[in-house]
Amino acid sequence: DAGVTQSPTHLIKTRGQQVTLRCSPKSGHDTVSWYQQALGQGPQFIFQYYEEEERQRGNFPDRFSGHQFPNYSSELNVNALLLGESTLYLCASSPGDRGNYGYTFGSGTRLTVV
Amino acid sequence: AQSVTQLGSHVSVSEGALVLLRCNYSSSVPPYLFWYVQYPNQGLQLLLKYTTGATLVKGINGFEAEFKKSETSFHLTKPSAHMSDAAEYFCAVRDPRTGTASKLTFGTGTRLQVTL
Repeated sequence: DAGVTQSPTHLIKTRGQQVTLRCSPKSGHDTVSWYQQALGQGPQFIFQYYEEEERQRGNFPDRFSGHQFPNYSSELNVNALLLGESTLYLCASSPGDRGNYGYTFGSGTRLTVV
Repeated sequence: AQSVTQLGSHVSVSEGALVLLRCNYSSSVPPYLFWYVQYPNQGLQLLLKYTTGATLVKGINGFEAEFKKSETSFHLTKPSAHMSDAAEYFCAVRDPRTGTASKLTFGTGTRLQVTL
C-alpha cells in the first residue's frame, strides 16, 4: 500500500517564478494538508483541503494557493517565489472522518529558489 | 491558540542509556498529542499519539510517552538507546474540537545523538 507520494522530490526555480508541487494521499485518505519546514524548525501549517475545499489556512500570504482534485490528490502553488522560500514542503494526509488520526506524511519536495 | 515547547534542541546519550525528550504544550483544552521522528532527507513518521484513554502510550521502536495533564507535558522516553534512534524528533498538538479541519502545531524539534 503506497503511502503519501510527493512530486517532484527536488526542483530549482528562479526568484519571481511560479511553482507547483503535487501530492497523492495515502489510499483511503481524503484530507490533505501542506506544511513548510525550514531548516532546523518544525513544520509550519500552510493549509488543508477536504472535499475539494480549503478548510483551514495558516499564516501564509495569498501567493500560496492550492487545489484538491476529485481523486483527493492535491497541488500547492506558489507565485512570485522569494529566496526565503527555499526549503522543504511536506504533504500529509488523513481520513477525514477520523479526527483522532495521526497524519501520514510524504517525504517532501525540496525547493531551491535562486 | 495552541503551542508546543520542546526543551533542548540537541540531546546526546550513550548507546544503551535512557532517552528522555521533553515536550510541554499550551492549550485551552486537553489536546491530541503526537510524537514524530524525522530521519535525514525524509518526511515525518508517527511514533505514537495520545487522544483519549490511557495516559501512558506505547509506540513503535520501543518508545513510549505519558500524558500528564497537571504538568501539560507529553515527554518521550525509551529505556535503552540504539544507534538507529539518532534523528530529529518533533512533538505536535492538535485541537480535538475541530474535527477534520484540524492542523498540527509542531515544536521546534530535538535532535537526538547516540554515541558509542
